[in-house]
Amino acid sequence: KQEVTQIPAALSVPEGENLVLNCSFTDSAIYNLQWFRQDPGKGLTSLLLIQSSQREQTSGRLNASLDKSSGRSTLYIAASQPGDSATYLCAVGNNRLAFGKGNQVVVIP
Amino acid sequence: GAGVSQSPRYKVAKRGQDVALRCDPISGHVSLFWYQQALGQGPEFLTYFQNEAQLDKSGLPSDRFFAERPEGSVSTLKIQRTQQEDSAVYLCASSFLGDRGYGYTFGSGTRLTVV
Repeated sequence: KQEVTQIPAALSVPEGENLVLNCSFTDSAIYNLQWFRQDPGKGLTSLLLIQSSQREQTSGRLNASLDKSSGRSTLYIAASQPGDSATYLCAVGNNRLAFGKGNQVVVIP
Repeated sequence: GAGVSQSPRYKVAKRGQDVALRCDPISGHVSLFWYQQALGQGPEFLTYFQNEAQLDKSGLPSDRFFAERPEGSVSTLKIQRTQQEDSAVYLCASSFLGDRGYGYTFGSGTRLTVV
């Protein structure tokens, strides 16, 4: 069974600092890895999708890397803003998604 | 539609009551998934459809849970004789074709509270 771990579980940073969120998974035979954002009481918003043949994806201030051999992905958020405060979920897909518990982020103005 | 639509957004059920949760996926999306998210946890897989075929229901927690997608579009998750441990957010996601290189789009979820 695929196990996904996200570290740290929670973090607070001052506005302007870069965020680094880590995700690890146990089974490297994945089709893709997806990062989601979840705001309190809301559904999941897709941020970045990395296909298994790719090593990274970028969108604006967000960059996600994938190292299948070590079973790791990292989400970087540059120059954090208070609006980035949310829970970030990593999910790996192999006919169904396995999620981590999330990184709860608070950006302090 | 433009996104995945779920209804109702909130549902309060008395213990023992049956409930039905609806998911309307993105038009043309072949794959449809249901997930259960308990408070403070990541979503947990329940079941998966490809068109009208239910290919994987291994995540359904008990035989009180039943899902269908009779015409390959709208899906319904039914929970019979609800219990307090069923309280959670139920999320529906759709994908163009499984997860073979394509991402998933999630709905806003249905928050079920069993009292």
